Amino acid sequence: GESVGLHLPTLSVQEGDNSIINCAYSNSASDYFIWYKQESGKGPQFIIDIRSNMDKRQGQRVTVLLNKTVKHLSLQIAATQPGDSAVYFCAEKFTGGGNKLTFGTGTQLKVEL
Amino acid sequence: NAGVMQNPRHLVRRRGQEARLRCSPMKGHSHVYWYRQLPEEGLKFMVYLQKENIIDESGMPKERFSAEFPKEGPSILRIQQVVRGDSAAYFCASSPQKNRGETQYFGPGTRLLVL
Repeated sequence: GESVGLHLPTLSVQEGDNSIINCAYSNSASDYFIWYKQESGKGPQFIIDIRSNMDKRQGQRVTVLLNKTVKHLSLQIAATQPGDSAVYFCAEKFTGGGNKLTFGTGTQLKVEL
Repeated sequence: NAGVMQNPRHLVRRRGQEARLRCSPMKGHSHVYWYRQLPEEGLKFMVYLQKENIIDESGMPKERFSAEFPKEGPSILRIQQVVRGDSAAYFCASSPQKNRGETQYFGPGTRLLVL
């Protein structure tokens, strides 16, 4: 399944399928990006990050892709599990903006059994 | 290693009262950030502090809100004369000094309800 963020804030996938969550960022000067997972009633949990000098980074079951040309970021989750159900946020930091992170609006991922 | 700790987890205040939110960063972390989250929205930056210094408060409302990170003890976010619009989840994050302090780790949040 694939999400386009603001236009499709909820993504439903079958257990075992791959998930793709998309994020468009606005500032071409952004040089660092993070994906967070937030479960209901909890704080954001760090998943994976990527710097602007890279276009791909892999973690355990997750991959982040960065396309600076179109200012697009995606999070791919392999073999989605029920425990992956949560809201996923992308966040960016840009040179000149200090250390503060700017968050996107989030995508709700629902894993169906 | 203990993560970022916040207390209280839930706080109920009546309009006009004061709210004090506390944050203890992860061990070894010297940077603290406060964010606010309204229901079904992303987190919005409020303030960035290092020990005894406010580095960036560009996201803080001009009135009623203040933050500190003393040499000893937790960081405090203080909201005076709370109004219903202050009801939100307030998250604290911390980062180490290395790696330019980029990767921020979040606490569980304090959920403030103003009656």
